[in-house]
Amino acid sequence: LAKTTQPISMDSYEGQEVNITCSHNNIATNDYITWYQQFPSQGPRFIIQGYKTKVTNEVASLFIPADRKSSTLSLPRVSLSDTAVYYCLVGPKAGGFKTIFGAGTRLFVKA
Amino acid sequence: DVKVTQSSRYLVKRTGEKVFLECVQDMDHENMFWYRQDPGLGLRLIYFSYDVKMKEKGDIPEGYSVSREKKERFSLILESASTNQTSMYLCASSPRDGFNEKLFFGSGTQLSVL
Repeated sequence: LAKTTQPISMDSYEGQEVNITCSHNNIATNDYITWYQQFPSQGPRFIIQGYKTKVTNEVASLFIPADRKSSTLSLPRVSLSDTAVYYCLVGPKAGGFKTIFGAGTRLFVKA
Repeated sequence: DVKVTQSSRYLVKRTGEKVFLECVQDMDHENMFWYRQDPGLGLRLIYFSYDVKMKEKGDIPEGYSVSREKKERFSLILESASTNQTSMYLCASSPRDGFNEKLFFGSGTQLSVL
């Protein structure tokens, strides 16, 4: 199963765009890239999923280059409430039960 | 609104006790999971189940067992609790197509073993 590497932590200010990059050099052909968000004392929450190019929803955008060896989660104009841990996961849609959650990226948004 | 409910938010137990953590989902999902989360280690998969009465070991099954007698309920059992099992335990579910269909998590149970 593909291993992911993310920065341990990032700081930002309110109103800025935040980009969190995840490396997954050994991603397999049938793997998808999924991002979760976790607030303190809560379980993780699904944010976005993609396979290639760009995916956008009401929360975030996900950019995936052609070689798919990395991906970037983009949060537009963050607020204090976006302070959370963000996890990048890589695994197949079908099966993939042992897809690994890494340590994630702790984003701290300051006023 | 979809829901994964864990029976206790906080639990304090003594070493050697048998501990039951219960999880119920109301989404008719086939797959259910138990994770533990420790500072700096992310989430680690203990056990998962893809159908009633089916179970598979995750990455760290030692010291744990599970039970899935009904589709909506997945129980994690600590046969003889130890202090190194003090952790946050998270239950999750997902529909049949696989893990990477959207996972829905409960709010977690913070277990302290004294």
